[in-house]
Amino acid sequence: AQSVTQPDIHITVSEGASLELRCNYSYGATPYLFWYVQSPGQGLQLLLKYFSGDTLVQGIKGFEAEFKRSQSSFNLRKPSVHWSDAAEYFCAVGALIQGAQKLVFGQGTRLTINP
Amino acid sequence: GAGVSQSPSNKVTEKGKDVELRCDPISGHTALYWYRQRLGQGLEFLIYFQGNSAPDKSGLPSDRFSAERTGESVSTLTIQRTQQEDSAVYLCASSAYGVEQFFGPGTRLTVL
Repeated sequence: AQSVTQPDIHITVSEGASLELRCNYSYGATPYLFWYVQSPGQGLQLLLKYFSGDTLVQGIKGFEAEFKRSQSSFNLRKPSVHWSDAAEYFCAVGALIQGAQKLVFGQGTRLTINP
Repeated sequence: GAGVSQSPSNKVTEKGKDVELRCDPISGHTALYWYRQRLGQGLEFLIYFQGNSAPDKSGLPSDRFSAERTGESVSTLTIQRTQQEDSAVYLCASSAYGVEQFFGPGTRLTVL
């Protein structure tokens, strides 16, 4: 069965600093991997996804993530955070089943930005 | 075009009452998903529909939970005899064949 671990429940960084959010997954085949962001009172927005090919994927808002099969990881990075990046971030692994994508989410990492 | 919509946005109910939560997916999206998000936790998969069929109901927490989808469009999640542990945000998502899921804003359910 799929599972996702986000080891950091809460991270605080200063505005302008670099960011890395960790994600480890467990899945028997080649995974479909996603990062979603949830701002307070809003729904989830997809930041980026990995299906196959280049292991470094670019997303929206300046985010990127690198798929490392040997480490079963899909860490999210941003070179310089902005105050508007404060939100909850969720990593998810998906499996294509009968034309649908069943997602298993991690517990989330809450990001706080210090001015 | 319009995104995924959910209604109501907030629902407060008394323990033991039944509630219905509605999801309107993006037009043309064949797959529809329901998730539950308890306070401070990640999303928990409940059920998904491919068309009007639900191939995987394994995530439904108990037989008090049921869902249906009609016309390959609107879906309703019904919780009977609500309990306080059912309090959560219920999120709906839809997708075209096998790709990105688009999420609605959720319904916040509070059971008193």
